[in-house]
Amino acid sequence: NAGVTQTPKFQVLKTGQSMTLQCAQDMNHNSMYWYRQDPGMGLRLIYYSASEGTTDKGEVPNGYNVSRLNKREFSLRLESAAPSQTSVYFCASRLHRDRVQPQHFGDGTRLSIL
Amino acid sequence: GDSVTQMEGPVTLSEEAFLTINCTYTATGYPSLFWYVQYPGEGLQLLLKATKADDKGSNKGFEATYRKETTSFHLEKGSVQVSDSAVYFCALSGDYGGSQGNLIFGKGTKLSVKP
Repeated sequence: NAGVTQTPKFQVLKTGQSMTLQCAQDMNHNSMYWYRQDPGMGLRLIYYSASEGTTDKGEVPNGYNVSRLNKREFSLRLESAAPSQTSVYFCASRLHRDRVQPQHFGDGTRLSIL
Repeated sequence: GDSVTQMEGPVTLSEEAFLTINCTYTATGYPSLFWYVQYPGEGLQLLLKATKADDKGSNKGFEATYRKETTSFHLEKGSVQVSDSAVYFCALSGDYGGSQGNLIFGKGTKLSVKP
């Protein structure tokens, strides 16, 4: 059982390049999330999708777009990468957007922007 | 809005020492509380949770009790092992207001256990 799978695991971009981070879950979860993790900042929510067909902004959405392709897949796109977007990106999923449900995380994408 | 504050690290302990990592929260309504653990190079894993006041979550020798009167959810373990070295995150998921069911994380506490 793979859980939450993120691709790629590592990526280096130049400023201004675009890229899409992929995320897929096989747990039949309804809600999916994208976070970024920076030193000393914990995890900050970028975008989330409470259910298939919906997406909403989180705490730090600027510079990102998302697509909930189907129930399994939720992608994050950087249209014009900036050095401030150097970070570790985590995708997570949850059965429902219900306070008692835990989130399940992928192993992350380590993104460096030069 | 909702927030989580946890003790800053890093915390360095000797093997078999007692561990406490403090976590306090601010939230409207009745949030659920979680501890996640992140091992080097990996994603976050759920360690334990509590969904109502006075609940005690426990897993792998770790425990935390949901204290509504002190708005706290401190993580404890009686005897740590080298394999417990990781970053620990406290998080809440609230009903209303700022979090609206999303997870709000503390900044993390790095634990290093020496043999």
